[in-house]
Amino acid sequence: DQQVKQNSPSLSVQEGRISILNCDYTNSMFDYFLWYKKYPAEGPTFLISISSIKDKNEDGRFTVFLNKSAKHLSLHIVPSQPGDSAVYFCAASALIQGAQKLVFGQGTRLTINP
Amino acid sequence: SAVISQKPSRDICQRGTSLTIQCQVDSQVTMMFWYRQQPGQSLTLIATANQGSEATYESGFVIDKFPISRPNLTFSTLTVSNMSPEDSSIYLCSVRRTSGKSYEQYFGPGTRLTVT
Repeated sequence: DQQVKQNSPSLSVQEGRISILNCDYTNSMFDYFLWYKKYPAEGPTFLISISSIKDKNEDGRFTVFLNKSAKHLSLHIVPSQPGDSAVYFCAASALIQGAQKLVFGQGTRLTINP
Repeated sequence: SAVISQKPSRDICQRGTSLTIQCQVDSQVTMMFWYRQQPGQSLTLIATANQGSEATYESGFVIDKFPISRPNLTFSTLTVSNMSPEDSSIYLCSVRRTSGKSYEQYFGPGTRLTVT
């Protein structure tokens, strides 16, 4: 049962444009959502998180939008830069079997084209 | 944020042997975790490393295969025992920081394990 889904395995965007990465979830008990960027041979880098009681959080070029009714969140990167090329993971936190745990999506590979 | 280091960064091991991975954090943290990322897959939680008590393992992971130590609030080890090629993965240490307003979880650089 995949509780967090990133349905697009890859995305290609031109430099300077907006990148929009999407994530859907099924568990209405998730209380925080997080986005990570991962380069090959490195650990995931935390980018931004949002509480389930909010619908938007912004940090520099990164904005996360949460639509609870649709169980959908998205990460907007604007403007996109070549260094943004990486795999992006969506993750959601919930109390599972008495402990707060993160559930990850499968990842979306973002390529920024010059 | 949190600065997390792992040793070794990579290793190639023979089947049947064991490898211990170390994780060091730059400040005290309550919640520390071990994850695995198999080739082409997402991140899977192996266990929560509890300070002063036995680790809490996720379904599909057992203490005999993945013994974990957590002697203090800045250090943990994960051992991959009796390795087989299926254990070839990236193993990641992770720590969590929460406040009333935010939830942040950080990962180490990972240990890339290849079992031959």
